[in-house]
Amino acid sequence: DAGVIQSPRHEVTEMGQEVTLRCKPISGHDYLFWYRQTMMRGLELLIYFNNNVPIDDSGMPEDRFSAKMPNASFSTLKIQPSEPRDSAVYFCASSLGGVNQPQHFGDGTRLSIL
Amino acid sequence: DAKTTQPPSMDCAEGRAANLPCNHSTISGNEYVYWYRQIHSQGPQYIIHGLKNNETNEMASLIITEDRKSSTLILPHATLRDTAVYYCIAGRGDTDKLIFGTGTRLQVFP
Repeated sequence: DAGVIQSPRHEVTEMGQEVTLRCKPISGHDYLFWYRQTMMRGLELLIYFNNNVPIDDSGMPEDRFSAKMPNASFSTLKIQPSEPRDSAVYFCASSLGGVNQPQHFGDGTRLSIL
Repeated sequence: DAKTTQPPSMDCAEGRAANLPCNHSTISGNEYVYWYRQIHSQGPQYIIHGLKNNETNEMASLIITEDRKSSTLILPHATLRDTAVYYCIAGRGDTDKLIFGTGTRLQVFP
């Protein structure tokens, strides 16, 4: 079975540019999570969705970050404008929800803002 | 969510059992203990979880103390491929939000 698919795997862009990260969750999973990982702050939850609806976006760092889930099989995380401090690995995860359903993570997008 | 405390690093010889401790002294009654691991440059991988009973699956065993203030993840026969950062998380059963700490970096050596 296909796991969580993220694209691109690597992104290098210049400060000020718009960045869009993409995620395809596992089919049938109704929870989707976006995380960011840096050496300084570790793995942080940014936002998560249930049935395509954002439930908790308290981890989104600022208004430059936005996330959408237009349907059950696709989500985007957008940064506009991007800044060097946004450089990190961004992970997407999905789950069936509930106590006994683990989160399944993608391989991440390594983002570098120059 | 309850805060967890883990040693920053541990070593284990290949073939031996790796016992990774976790302290969660402020855990509440509806919080589960979850373990994930992250192998270098990959996304975190679920290992096991439990509420108050000990649990075992094909990857590991989870031992939770009777007062639930601490737990131990046991990898019975560690291999080099088990080298990773292991995260212990105390999460509420009625939400799906997991808060990852800094974890324990386990190094398995030949």
